[in-house]
Amino acid sequence: EDQVTQSPEALRLQEGESSSLNCSYTVSGLRGLFWYRQDPGKGPEFLFTLYSAGEEKEKERLKATLTKKESFLHITAPKPEDSATYLCAVRPGGATNKLIFGTGTLLAVQP
Amino acid sequence: DGGITQSPKYLFRKEGQNVTLSCEQNLNHDAMYWYRQDPGQGLRLIYYSQIVNDFQKGDIAEGYSVSREKKESFPLTVTSAQKNPTAFYLCASSIVQDSEQYFGPGTRLTVT
Repeated sequence: EDQVTQSPEALRLQEGESSSLNCSYTVSGLRGLFWYRQDPGKGPEFLFTLYSAGEEKEKERLKATLTKKESFLHITAPKPEDSATYLCAVRPGGATNKLIFGTGTLLAVQP
Repeated sequence: DGGITQSPKYLFRKEGQNVTLSCEQNLNHDAMYWYRQDPGQGLRLIYYSQIVNDFQKGDIAEGYSVSREKKESFPLTVTSAQKNPTAFYLCASSIVQDSEQYFGPGTRLTVT
């Protein structure tokens, strides 16, 4: 069964304290892994797409990496405005356009 | 300003009533999607449409219906057959089937 697991469920950091969020997946034939940021009461905001193991993408303080079993979202020197829920989703192989989402990591960055 | 709009932001209905949630996009995207988000669960796909006049059921289509008469519009009807309709509903679109999906601001539906 296709599955996505995110850890930790919640993470509290001090401003400037770098860390990583994990997204492990079990899918048949990965056709893309997606990271989103979601603020409370709002729709998810697209961050990155990764397609193959070894691929990396960066945007400001965020860097996403991909292996054959998991993806990491590294946050370098976070600021309070980085506080949000970060969602990971995978598109398994096959004909459908389905995305399978994890339950997210709630990140709180304290000043 | 290109984007996806959903209306209304909040919606309250009595049990037994059908309700329609609006989703409009001006991104010229071919594919559109409806998801449901509940606390502690990942987003779950309700319906998706790859082209006008065509749509497919997602994982939790029971009690929902959709139409795709125009490329920019993909309304979702929550019928009285949906047993637990209270949730946060998200509409998304993508350029083509395999590209990243962009989400609207969501509609929070409360049924009492």
